Order: sequence, then structure tokens, then C-alpha cells
Amino acid sequence: AQKVTQAQTEISVVEKEDVTLDCVYETRDTTYYLFWYKQPPSGELVFLIRRNSFDEQNEISGRYSWNFQKSTSSFNFTITASQVVDSAVYFCAHRSAGNMLTFGGGTRLMVKP
Amino acid sequence: DAGVIQSPRHEVTEMGQEVTLRCKPISGHNSLFWYRQTMMRGLELLIYFNNNVPIDDSGMPEDRFSAKMPNASFSTLKIQPSEPRDSAVYFCASSSPTSGGPGMYEQFFGPGTRLTVL
Repeated sequence: AQKVTQAQTEISVVEKEDVTLDCVYETRDTTYYLFWYKQPPSGELVFLIRRNSFDEQNEISGRYSWNFQKSTSSFNFTITASQVVDSAVYFCAHRSAGNMLTFGGGTRLMVKP
Repeated sequence: DAGVIQSPRHEVTEMGQEVTLRCKPISGHNSLFWYRQTMMRGLELLIYFNNNVPIDDSGMPEDRFSAKMPNASFSTLKIQPSEPRDSAVYFCASSSPTSGGPGMYEQFFGPGTRLTVL
């Protein structure tokens, strides 16, 4: 069975600090997909990124970057120069066979001005 | 393009009452998912449909919960009778195998229905 662990339940930073959200997954499948979602205070779930198991290239999108390391089963998410608007709960998720996503418990990020 | 639409956005009801949550997936998406989010259990998949057919309902907590998808543009999640422990945010999501390539599709979530059972 798949399992996603986000060990950091809550992180608090001051604006402009860099912050990394950790995600560790467990799977026996060789083909799988990893995702990050953002849930701002308004409550909706916003898709941020997907990565497949064959693509270990890191990705950067503006202030966001993702580090996928298959050797450590990790898919970490870094926000550079954090802003108050980044305050949200961030979920890491895994999908292998079938359609079902397995979500981690989420990390609540609070960015203070 | 309209996203996933859910109604109502908020529902307050009394224990024992029937509750029906509604979802309209993104047009063209052929998979639909119902999730429940609580502080204690996080995000849980309740059931998902592929081409209107229920594929996996192992996450449905008990017989009081039922879900239907009579056509490609509409799904309901019904709780009868409702109990206080059903209080949660219920999300509907949809996806298509073609968005992002086969097997890589992300799920697009609706805004959720916040259910409170008194």
C-alpha cells in the first residue's frame, strides 16, 4: 500500500525567508506519480505540480522549486523568498496503479510579515 | 472554463436528516472522485467513478453513505441518516486521462461543501 508522510505538521517563517516542505513516500510500484497541492485559507485545493517516477529532474517555477530524489523516496518543495500569500496548507500526494491519490497529512505554512 | 462545481457550499442539518451533496465535473473529464476532509483523518477518498461507473467505493465509511453518477456531468453523494461525526468538508474532483498525458493527469478539485451535522 502507498503511504505519504509529511513530517512537518506546521512551519512558521518570516516573510522573505526560504522554506522547504518535506515529503516522503512509500511504494512498491516502479511507475508512479507525485503531486503537490496547496490549500489556502479559502479552502479550495489548488494543483501545483506533478512528477512521474521516471523524471528525476528538479523543477523551478518562479519562487517554487521541487526536488525529487528517488533514492530517498522524497519529493520536497521549496519556496524561496516566502510571502504572506504563501500561507496555506500544502499537501503532497502519490498515485500509482489506478486513479486513486494517497495524500500526506499536510504541512501548515504560516508566513508572518 | 468552469471548474468543478459543488453545491451547496455550506450545509447545516440536524442529526438524522438526509443530506445530498452535488457535483458537476469539468466538461470532458471522465473520472470523478469524492473526498472527505477532517482535522482528525485528513483527506480521505470515499469513492471514484470512471465513465460514470463506480470503480472503488472502499472508502465509503458505511451504508449510510451512497453516491451516484447518473450521467457524465452530474454526481451526488448522499448521507442518510446523517450523524454529527459526518461533519466535514466534502470535496469533489475530476480528471481526464488526456490532461497532462496518459497516466499523469492531475485531479481538479471543487471548492468543497462544508457539512455541519448538529
